[in-house]
Amino acid sequence: GAGVSQSPSNKVTEKGKDVELRCDPISGHTALYWYRQSLGQGLEFLIYFQGNSAPDKSGLPSDRFSAERTGGSVSTLTIQRTQQEDSAVYLCASSGGAGRALEQYFGPGTRLTVT
Amino acid sequence: SQQGEEDPQALSIQEGENATMNCSYKTSINNLQWYRQNSGRGLVHLILIRSNEREKHSGRLRVTLDTSKKSSSLLITASRAADTASYFCATDAGGTYKYIFGTGTRLKVLA
Repeated sequence: GAGVSQSPSNKVTEKGKDVELRCDPISGHTALYWYRQSLGQGLEFLIYFQGNSAPDKSGLPSDRFSAERTGGSVSTLTIQRTQQEDSAVYLCASSGGAGRALEQYFGPGTRLTVT
Repeated sequence: SQQGEEDPQALSIQEGENATMNCSYKTSINNLQWYRQNSGRGLVHLILIRSNEREKHSGRLRVTLDTSKKSSSLLITASRAADTASYFCATDAGGTYKYIFGTGTRLKVLA
């Protein structure tokens, strides 16, 4: 079946502009994660959604970052007033499928460049 | 600081040799996972080991877990050039669903 998809694959934006990044998880997966990965670095946890529960937003670096998940499926990560330090690859993952509930399936990522 | 720290940061070996990477973590966990990341396929799950398991195998992969030392190791046997990638461990910090990834080991397998 289809994997996790993310759009856009690349985004170049000017400092101060807002951006929206989209994630389409695997159908039926109840959990959805957003991570950020800077060049040559590990993954930084941003936010976690599980079903209809309140999301765990503890990883969001500032109040310029927000995310929502509509209808328990598609998620949007919004970064307001982008800064150059926001430049990174933003990765989305979903999990919760039957039999492999804890295994995360990652999307290809959105490479964000703030100029 | 990172929940998971991989060691070494980089490793270069010849094809056919074994590669061993280590991961240390700080809090109690329910499970630990290993992932591989390369430019071609992105991040892919390799293996999950639960806190009540000590060793697990999957093909050429062998993972061990020592909860008393809060450490895990990933062994890749008979390495191939296609194993060239970065390898990350991920732990469910404090037994939650919030997974914390380490900084990764960059493995290069020379043909």
